[in-house]
Amino acid sequence: QKEVEQDPGPLSVPEGAIVSLNCTYSNSAFQYFMWYRQYSRKGPELLMYTYSSGNKEDGRFTAQVDKSSKYISLFIRDSQPSDSATYLCAMRQVSSGSARQLTFGSGTQLTVLP
Amino acid sequence: KAGVTQTPRYLIKTRGQQVTLSCSPISGHRSVSWYQQTPGQGLQFLFEYFSETQRNKGNFPGRFSGRQFSNSRSEMNVSTLELGDSALYLCASSLRDLTSATNEKLFFGSGTQLSVL
Repeated sequence: QKEVEQDPGPLSVPEGAIVSLNCTYSNSAFQYFMWYRQYSRKGPELLMYTYSSGNKEDGRFTAQVDKSSKYISLFIRDSQPSDSATYLCAMRQVSSGSARQLTFGSGTQLTVLP
Repeated sequence: KAGVTQTPRYLIKTRGQQVTLSCSPISGHRSVSWYQQTPGQGLQFLFEYFSETQRNKGNFPGRFSGRQFSNSRSEMNVSTLELGDSALYLCASSLRDLTSATNEKLFFGSGTQLSVL
């Protein structure tokens, strides 16, 4: 079983819809949670960065972390065709050595239809 | 401010050959990490360099190696290429090394797409 599980999709929604993307994880030592957006033929771009449990909002994006359930979410409001990309969740532990490297989900491919 | 630059963007090699990929981090960033991305395995950590020293290494064979120069630029080398090495190789930079900084953020380049025939 992978440490981080993410539904690969693909997910198609109409423009203006609210999108919910999710990851579950098994390692309770993860403390930092990130969402990256990756366009085709590009590297991942950092979208949201949160520490421990709670919500964080940035424009149309909201990141939620529920450590008790080992579950994180990214919500996109008023989705736009330009949001069409692969969304990757990533996590880090607060400990020494290689455990501080990022562990990524496999990514969810999102298409927003005009 | 220029982002992370990776060269070349595309490479085609044959089995048994070796390849060198280059990464220039964001100005002022001293840590460079390398990742391999494939459709089946997703993003997997290769290694991290900080101040010309390898700080961490992922679970890859010794055919994968790297180095970092005094200007923080980094190179990654893969020897004796195998078909399974076909992947997008991503470089990411951060201001500080990930082993000591708890909240460091990674910024990725566009990657080098390597195809092994």
